[in-house]
Formats: sequence, structure tokens, C-alpha cells
Amino acid sequence: NAGVMQNPRHLVRRRGQEARLRCSPMKGHSHVYWYRQLPEEGLKFMVYLQKENIIDESGMPKERFSAEFPKEGPSILRIQQVVRGDSAAYFCASSEQGGNEQFFGPGTRLTVL
Amino acid sequence: GQQLNQSPQSMFIQEGEDVSMNCTSSSIFNTWLWYKQDPGEGPVLLIALYKAGELTSNGRLTAQFGITRKDSFLNISASIPSDVGIYFCAGFSNTGNQFYFGTGTSLTVIP
Repeated sequence: NAGVMQNPRHLVRRRGQEARLRCSPMKGHSHVYWYRQLPEEGLKFMVYLQKENIIDESGMPKERFSAEFPKEGPSILRIQQVVRGDSAAYFCASSEQGGNEQFFGPGTRLTVL
Repeated sequence: GQQLNQSPQSMFIQEGEDVSMNCTSSSIFNTWLWYKQDPGEGPVLLIALYKAGELTSNGRLTAQFGITRKDSFLNISASIPSDVGIYFCAGFSNTGNQFYFGTGTSLTVIP
């Protein structure tokens, strides 16, 4: 049973470009969570999605950030017009049910030049 | 958002020693999770706790869900060099939708 997959593992963008991060949950998991982690810091919740629904996006910046989890395909975290402050590691986690143990992917490290 | 207080922030121990770290919250949680993160990797789930008072082991690791439901601790017995990493707690309340993560405990094991 493959674990949570994220790609790309590393992403470099120039200021103003778009970043698109993908997450494929574990087989059988329909709940996906996105987190952001700065160096030497903990994980900050961004958004919680189920298939085709955003359940909680209280941790997501109001502008430039969006997330989706379509019926088919991976969950996407999209950052438009990236700025240097968006540089961070972005982790996705999946679970079978909300409140159950979450399993994390390897993360995408975004660097904005 | 809610913060979990995790302590200690860092630990330097000799190989073979036991380790204890804990998390406290001002709110009641229904689930506690403990993770270990190595540099450049995603967190790996170590132990999941679902009932107040529950004590669960995973090899040399033991974690407990506090009776008050506002705290949890993780013990590592007979530490070895590969225990090095950052340990995070995470708590979930049924009244919310998200897990809240602690600030992490950085563990260094000196051979």
C-alpha cells in the first residue's frame, strides 16, 4: 500500500510565478490536509479537504492561495504570484476519517527567488 | 489558532538513557498523535491515542493520553542514535476539524 505521495519534492519559482503542489493520498483515504512548515518551526494547518469539498480553510491566507481535491486525481495546493515569504516546506497528510491518524507525505520544498 | 505547549524544546542525552517529553493544552482533545520528523522528511506517525488514560507502546516508545484529556506524554526508553530527530505531538478535538501541532522537541543522542 503506497504511502502519501507528493510532487514535486523541490520547486523553485521566481517572484510572481505560480506554484502548483500535488498530493496523492493513501489508497482508501478521502481526507486530505495541507500544512506549511518554516525551518526550525512546527507544522501550521492550512486547509482540510474531502473529495470535492473544502471542509476547513481557516489556516489558508485569503489571497493567492487555493486548494482543491477533485473527484479524480490528486489534491492540488496552488499559490499564485508567489513572494519570497512563501518559501517553506508544504506537507500533505491523509486520513481515512476526520480525527483519525494522519499519514504525511515527504513534502514539497518551495523556494521563491 | 490554538497552540499546544510542548516541552522540553530540546534535549541532549547519552545513548542508553530514557527520554520523556510532554504536551499540554488549554482545551480538551479527543485524539493525541505523536510524530517523529527527520531533516528533509515528512513526519512519521509513532503512536495514536484515542481514550483518556490510554497507555500505548510501540517498541521502546510509550505514550499516554492524560486523564484530563488536556495533556499527553511520550517516553523513549534506552535511547539509540537513530532516535535523533524532532518529535511533535498533535491534538484533535471533535468540536473542530483540524489537528493542532506542538512546537516540537528536538532530541540529540550522544553515542
